[in-house]
This record gives sequence, structure tokens and C-alpha cells, in this order.
Amino acid sequence: DGGITQSPKYLFRKEGQNVTLSCEQNLNHDAMYWYRQDPGQGLRLIYYSQIVNDFQKGDIAEGYSVSREKKESFPLTVTSAQKNPTAFYLCASTIGGETNQPQHFGDGTRLSIL
Amino acid sequence: ELKVEQNPLFLSMQEGKNYTIYCNYSTTSDRLYWYRQDPGKSLESLFVLLSNGAVKQEGRLMASLDTKARLSTLHITAAVHDLSATYFCAVDVFTARQLTFGSGTQLTVLP
Repeated sequence: DGGITQSPKYLFRKEGQNVTLSCEQNLNHDAMYWYRQDPGQGLRLIYYSQIVNDFQKGDIAEGYSVSREKKESFPLTVTSAQKNPTAFYLCASTIGGETNQPQHFGDGTRLSIL
Repeated sequence: ELKVEQNPLFLSMQEGKNYTIYCNYSTTSDRLYWYRQDPGKSLESLFVLLSNGAVKQEGRLMASLDTKARLSTLHITAAVHDLSATYFCAVDVFTARQLTFGSGTQLTVLP
């Protein structure tokens, strides 16, 4: 079955450490997205990518970095510059372009500080 | 800056009752999405509303869109416990397909 796989499900970060969250999709989607969700709040866009080797900052990109070397993969690195990284991180994808199709979401990664 | 506001943020209702969740947004848009999220889980797409006056129904849920009022509603009919979840609306304004989400409405259906 096609879908979006995020790993790991739970991740712990030490002070000063960079960590990378994985997002892989086999839906043949062009566009991929990273969102952050804090308890009791909606989702906020961190980064998005419409095509391979291109990505754009969202509303809260500071302290995060991404790459898009392959269509299927869009890893997110939470750097030590992100001072409050504890949150639920969701990856999403869609066909891209002018499609009206909704974004499909992975199961998320829960990141905590040690 | 686009703002998307949902109300109520918390809703407890008895089984069998009807209620409506409201989603207001601040900028012209013709694409609005409703999602459901169970605790600790991912988001599941419920409805895609693409034009003024659009109405979509699935089971006990019905969503509508009024682009002139910049308002979407999610109506729950004869609520059952299985509908307990958090419901988000999301608005798509830009051609880059960026979604702006509301804060969510946490629905609890009581027996």
C-alpha cells in the first residue's frame, strides 16, 4: 500500500545535539511538507518542497533544515539552534501543482528533550 | 497574514445531539479542508471544499463553505462516541499549496 513513513516514532535530543527525522513516501507525490504541532494547537508549517532539489521556508523555519535529494525522501534536521524542539512533527505530501487533492500525512515523530 | 479561527476549541456533547463547529478565515480562498485527528495519531482527510456553496456529507458529518463570509461549518448530526476526536480546518490560499490550520476543535461525545 502507498503511504508516508516517518521514523522514528519517538526521539530524544540532548542539549546541543542535531537530530534528523525521516520522511519517506511511495505515493509518487511531487510536493512534501513538514509541520510542527504543539499540545492543543494546530499545525504550523516548517518547510515545504515542490520538486526535487528545491525547498522553501514555512512560517517557523528557524532552527530547522531540510534536504530534497530524492522525490521519495524529505528529511528534517532539528538543529541545536532550535531552543524549544519538544513537539509532534508531521510530514505530509501531495501531488503538487494545481491539484485540489488533500495533503496525506504520516504518523508523526514525537521529539522530546533529555 | 492569513488567520484561521475555529470555535469552539473544546466541545462536549451528549450522544444523539447535533452541533456545529465553525471555521473563519481572514483572506479570500476557494480551497478549504477538514481533517480529523485522534489522540497521538496523524491527520485523516475528511472533506475538500472548493467553491462557494459547496456542501459535502459523510455519515453524520456535513461540511459547507461560504467564501463570501469566509466561513466553513462542520455539522455533526446525532453524535456517537466514535466521533470523539480533534477536528481541524485548513485553508489554502497560495498556489504553492501552503495550508494554514486552525487551532482545532476537541470534540468529546459523552454516553
